[in-house]
Amino acid sequence: NAGVMQNPRHLVRRRGQEARLRCSPMKGHSHVYWYRQLPEEGLKFMVYLQKENIIDESGMPKERFSAEFPKEGPSILRIQQVVRGDSAAYFCASSLGTVNQPQHFGDGTRLSIL
Amino acid sequence: GESVGLHLPTLSVQEGDNSIINCAYSNSASDYFIWYKQESGKGPQFIIDIRSNMDKRQGQRVTVLLNKTVKHLSLQIAATQPGDSAVYFCAENISPDSNDYKLSFGAGTTVTVRA
Repeated sequence: NAGVMQNPRHLVRRRGQEARLRCSPMKGHSHVYWYRQLPEEGLKFMVYLQKENIIDESGMPKERFSAEFPKEGPSILRIQQVVRGDSAAYFCASSLGTVNQPQHFGDGTRLSIL
Repeated sequence: GESVGLHLPTLSVQEGDNSIINCAYSNSASDYFIWYKQESGKGPQFIIDIRSNMDKRQGQRVTVLLNKTVKHLSLQIAATQPGDSAVYFCAENISPDSNDYKLSFGAGTTVTVRA
């Protein structure tokens, strides 16, 4: 019973390039969440998606960041024209529902910007 | 071993002793709380959750206590083992509606188990 799968585990990009982070939720989960973690800090909520819909993107920067969760395939977090400050660990979580259903996390993508 | 205060980032505990990890939350309207364990290079792992209509909930070797009066949450680990060494985060639900999707994480407490 596979958990939340994220890839790649590590991603290196130069400033100005695009970064694409993928997340496959646990089987049967249709709710996906993206969080960002800086070193020595807790996770910060970015966006919540439910199959093909963005429900809450209040934690995601308006510029350069976008997220999708298509009907078929993984959820994608896309960062365009990356800058040094985008370096962080990005975690995806999924849940069965949104009431009394804990979020289960993947092992994250460590993004490094040169 | 016990972590005290609003923010004590490290806790050292002797193997076999009980651990108590404390967390102060900010939103008096929060109604759902979760404890996560994060090992180096891994994602947060769900430990236990509790809703605000409960004061206490027990799992395997873990107990979560909720004091809504002072907005305080604690995680107790019985008979701490080397495998319990990790960073522990409390998370509170800050969703704007009746759902539980938007979590706010604390800064975390690093637990180190001494052999």
